[in-house]
Amino acid sequence: KAGVTQTPRYLIKTRGQQVTLSCSPISGHRSVSWYQQTPGQGLQFLFEYFSETQRNKGNFPGRFSGRQFSNSRSEMNVSTLELGDSALYLCASSLEAYEQYFGPGTRLTVT
Amino acid sequence: QKEVEQNSGPLSVPEGAIASLNCTYSDRGSQSFFWYRQYSGKSPELIMFIYSNGDKEDGRFTAQLNKASQYVSLLIRDSQPSDSATYLCAVNIGLRRYGGSQGNLIFGKGTKLSVKP
Repeated sequence: KAGVTQTPRYLIKTRGQQVTLSCSPISGHRSVSWYQQTPGQGLQFLFEYFSETQRNKGNFPGRFSGRQFSNSRSEMNVSTLELGDSALYLCASSLEAYEQYFGPGTRLTVT
Repeated sequence: QKEVEQNSGPLSVPEGAIASLNCTYSDRGSQSFFWYRQYSGKSPELIMFIYSNGDKEDGRFTAQLNKASQYVSLLIRDSQPSDSATYLCAVNIGLRRYGGSQGNLIFGKGTKLSVKP
């Protein structure tokens, strides 16, 4: 089975711009979670989607949003980018249990 | 505030030795526990998960869980230089439901392991 895929892998944006990241889960997986990883804060949960519904949300401002499509693919959007949004954004998919499998991530740099 | 604590290391062990990685968590409602391995510049890779008190073995890896002490550990036997990585402990307090996990993973900051040849 193919693993979790994320596009793009690298992105450079300017402060104030917005960005959309994409994630395709493992075939058959219906749950997609997003995480932000930074050297200072580590891995932090952003939100989780299941069957096109957001089930859980972490403590991030409203500039961070997401959605899930009927084929389980998910996107996350960050509006009005700030320098502090520079991070590795990771998507993880899950089938029935708690086990979450991560994609390769999108490295976002905000200048 | 739900927290997961790990010793940041670095933990250095000689090749062939047992590496012991520890993790404590604050939320008694936590139901499932995970160990991820992350090589520099790569994404986390799931290597072990444990749901019940006791030990769970998979090859050279053993996860140990003690819910009363809110403690989970990972033992790596016969450590190899290729095991050198950051090991992340993660905890999920969500409910397990058909069709997908619920809840989110709370991660520790990770322990950096270095295995010397």
